[in-house]
Amino acid sequence: DGGITQSPKYLFRKEGQNVTLSCEQNLNHDAMYWYRQDPGQGLRLIYYSQIVNDFQKGDIAEGYSVSREKKESFPLTVTSAQKNPTAFYLCASSSPHETRTDTQYFGPGTRLTVL
Amino acid sequence: GIQVEQSPPDLILQEGANSTLRCNFSDSVNNLQWFHQNPWGQLINLFYIPSGTKQNGRLSATTVATERYSLLYISSSQTTDSGVYFCAVEGGFQKLVFGTGTRLLVSP
Repeated sequence: DGGITQSPKYLFRKEGQNVTLSCEQNLNHDAMYWYRQDPGQGLRLIYYSQIVNDFQKGDIAEGYSVSREKKESFPLTVTSAQKNPTAFYLCASSSPHETRTDTQYFGPGTRLTVL
Repeated sequence: GIQVEQSPPDLILQEGANSTLRCNFSDSVNNLQWFHQNPWGQLINLFYIPSGTKQNGRLSATTVATERYSLLYISSSQTTDSGVYFCAVEGGFQKLVFGTGTRLLVSP
């Protein structure tokens, strides 16, 4: 089945540690996105990538880094520079050229807790 | 940047009732989407609706782009409709700006 997978589902981290969240899609979508969601809030864009080997900062990129070496994969690293990393992280993908819409499809998310 | 406001923030319904959720946005847009987030956090795209009206089963949506608002209608609500409904609009090329959502609880 086609879809977006994220791992792990739950992640605990000690302060001062970097951690990498995985996002993989087999939808053959060109664009991929990372969002952060805090309790009771909407989603905020961290980074996005429109094509392999290219990515752009979103609204809250400080303390995060990404790579896009393969079309299917867009991992997010939460660095120790991120001051308040505890949140729910969602990955999404879209393919406007194929679908003629910008409909975004989301993975199940990763809940990160800093201890 | 573009602002997205949703109302009401919270809504409690009895099963079988109808409801209307509203999304106002501050600038003209080429992309507007409605999402449902279930209690486990999964977001599902309901509609891609930059203008006009669409229907999918008990759900329908209307966007009046010239007046900068969109409405999501839920008819004959079911407990499985519970969750958070988000409106998101384009805030730049392929970038979505999300509202803070409407939290819906449908009780049996």
